[in-house]
Amino acid sequence: AQSVSQHNHHVILSEAASLELGCNYSYGGTVNLFWYVQYPGQHLQLLLKYFSGDPLVKGIKGFEAEFIKSKFSFNLRKPSVQWSDTAEYFCAVNAAGTGFQKLVFGTGTRLLVSP
Amino acid sequence: NAGVTQTPKFRVLKTGQSMTLLCAQDMNHEYMYWYRQDPGMGLRLIHYSVGEGTTAKGEVPDGYNVSRLKKQNFLLGLESAAPSQTSVYFCASSYPRTGGTYEQYFGPGTRLTVT
Repeated sequence: AQSVSQHNHHVILSEAASLELGCNYSYGGTVNLFWYVQYPGQHLQLLLKYFSGDPLVKGIKGFEAEFIKSKFSFNLRKPSVQWSDTAEYFCAVNAAGTGFQKLVFGTGTRLLVSP
Repeated sequence: NAGVTQTPKFRVLKTGQSMTLLCAQDMNHEYMYWYRQDPGMGLRLIHYSVGEGTTAKGEVPDGYNVSRLKKQNFLLGLESAAPSQTSVYFCASSYPRTGGTYEQYFGPGTRLTVT
């Protein structure tokens, strides 16, 4: 069974600081990887996803993530955060392939960006 | 195109009461899901459906029942609410994978408090 670890539960940054949120997964096969964001009081929205190909994935709002297969990691990065990036970020993984595969979420990282 | 909608947005129940949460999607998605979100635990899958008339148990199904009588609707029922079911409930939907990939689209959530 897959599992996802997000080691940073709370992160506090000042505007313009760089961001890196860790995500490690446990699964021996090929995976699909996702980062979702939940702004205060809102539903989850997809930031970016990796299915295959270039391991460096670019998403919305200047976010990117790098899949490092040897490290089972899919860390989220942003060069310069803004106050509006204050949100909770969830990494998720499922097994690649056809048919239904459960999406497993990490416990989330709450990011607070101070102006 | 409303995407995924949920009703109600908020509800307070007394222990032992019953209620039904309604999820509707207008994207013609085959798959639908119910999650609960609790602090520090991320999202956990309660039940899911891979098509009209079919449902299956997820990670935390106890105390919940579901029905998918119409493709666009997925109902989550609590027959006898317990304080442990105090949570935020999210519905999601997605296309099925056909050798490719998919992403889940989330509703705005229902905040349920059981006293």
